[in-house]
Amino acid sequence: GENVEQHPSTLSVQEGDSAVIKCTYSDSASNYFPWYKQELGKRPQLIIDIRSNVGEKKDQRIAVTLNKTAKHFSLHITETQPEDSAVYFCAATNYGGSQGNLIFGKGTKLSVKP
Amino acid sequence: KAGVTQTPRYLIKTRGQQVTLSCSPISGHRSVSWYQQTPGQGLQFLFEYFSETQRNKGNFPGRFSGRQFSNSRSEMNVSTLELGDSALYLCASSLVLAGEDTQYFGPGTRLTVL
Repeated sequence: GENVEQHPSTLSVQEGDSAVIKCTYSDSASNYFPWYKQELGKRPQLIIDIRSNVGEKKDQRIAVTLNKTAKHFSLHITETQPEDSAVYFCAATNYGGSQGNLIFGKGTKLSVKP
Repeated sequence: KAGVTQTPRYLIKTRGQQVTLSCSPISGHRSVSWYQQTPGQGLQFLFEYFSETQRNKGNFPGRFSGRQFSNSRSEMNVSTLELGDSALYLCASSLVLAGEDTQYFGPGTRLTVL
């Protein structure tokens, strides 16, 4: 089955710097890769996702890149702000396959220092 | 539209007891997935229900079971509780099958087993 590795587990940056979180997956059939942000005591919320037919997607300060050959995808946050502090989870799935459930990475705790 | 709701929000049980958790998806959503979140293991998939049928099941013992009703509301049951079952249980709903559409998470039920 699918396995998702996420690095780093913790990340501390200064406000205004960029943050990069990387994930690798094992199942080459995976074709949908969402990223969730979970603030302390709150529910995970989708911030961006990418499907396997594109290599990059951007939404304001957030971007995701996908390398299907290497089986890894990354979240890029530019001009970080204190409110970006949260735990970020990547996930992968083969939607349309028999096992279409999301497999999550273990999470990255991002701290943005003012 | 109202978001995904879960009841109860907090539960305290003792070992050996059983518990039932409830999830009401976003109106019109037909898929409900359940996840267990713990600090050590992150978000782990329990099962997905679609149109009252269990579509996928994660790697959890048979003490964990669920069902979905005709209105798409779902319940999860854990029998013979163990200390290790203490966790945040999250459900997520999507319009169609998980992975084919965005999953929206509920606030979770915090279960503590004493």
